[in-house]
Amino acid sequence: DADVTQTPRNRITKTGKRIMLECSQTKGHDRMYWYRQDPGLGLRLIYYSFDVKDINKGEISDGYSVSRQAQAKFSLSLESAIPNQTALYFCATSAPGGGNQPQHFGDGTRLSIL
Amino acid sequence: DQQVKQNSPSLSVQEGRISILNCDYTNSMFDYFLWYKKYPAEGPTFLISISSIKDKNEDGRFTVFLNKSAKHLSLHIVPSQPGDSAVYFCAASITSGTYKYIFGTGTRLKVLA
Repeated sequence: DADVTQTPRNRITKTGKRIMLECSQTKGHDRMYWYRQDPGLGLRLIYYSFDVKDINKGEISDGYSVSRQAQAKFSLSLESAIPNQTALYFCATSAPGGGNQPQHFGDGTRLSIL
Repeated sequence: DQQVKQNSPSLSVQEGRISILNCDYTNSMFDYFLWYKKYPAEGPTFLISISSIKDKNEDGRFTVFLNKSAKHLSLHIVPSQPGDSAVYFCAASITSGTYKYIFGTGTRLKVLA
């Protein structure tokens, strides 16, 4: 079983719809992250959480919200989806210890907004 | 402003030869650097890292070199194998800061058999 599981793996939806992407992990890590990947832009951080009570905005948080339901679960919501949110979304986790801990990624959710 | 840059979007190398992937950064506060490898339909996986107190780190066929004065790092793969064909991302962080990683845009490596 994957250590970091993202659901759904693919989603096609319409403009204006509310969408939730879910992430769960079995690594026991406190830190969880949401990124989006766009062609030519690499991975950009949307939100991150260092524990259940700690939520922080990343560089591109506008239009997104998150919920850390438990240590193992971190969900990303698009309240009213728009076409330029079409992208590949990744969840990641890391262990505590500073900025020298590698991040472990899920396999991604491909989201298309029509 | 792109703080971490991978200026080569793609690279093709013959099997058995050396692959060199490059990464430049602008923020002198970065003190930890990582390389990730990504296959299609999978998430990035951690490959190798280097702290700014070192200038080289080696793990099997993979070696990362860091030139702090030039704000440049490179990943060498020797010998290259067809299974190395993937997209490679470099990432940088400030270990005393908020532990966020800044990723480059990726280089697609194709190793030709």
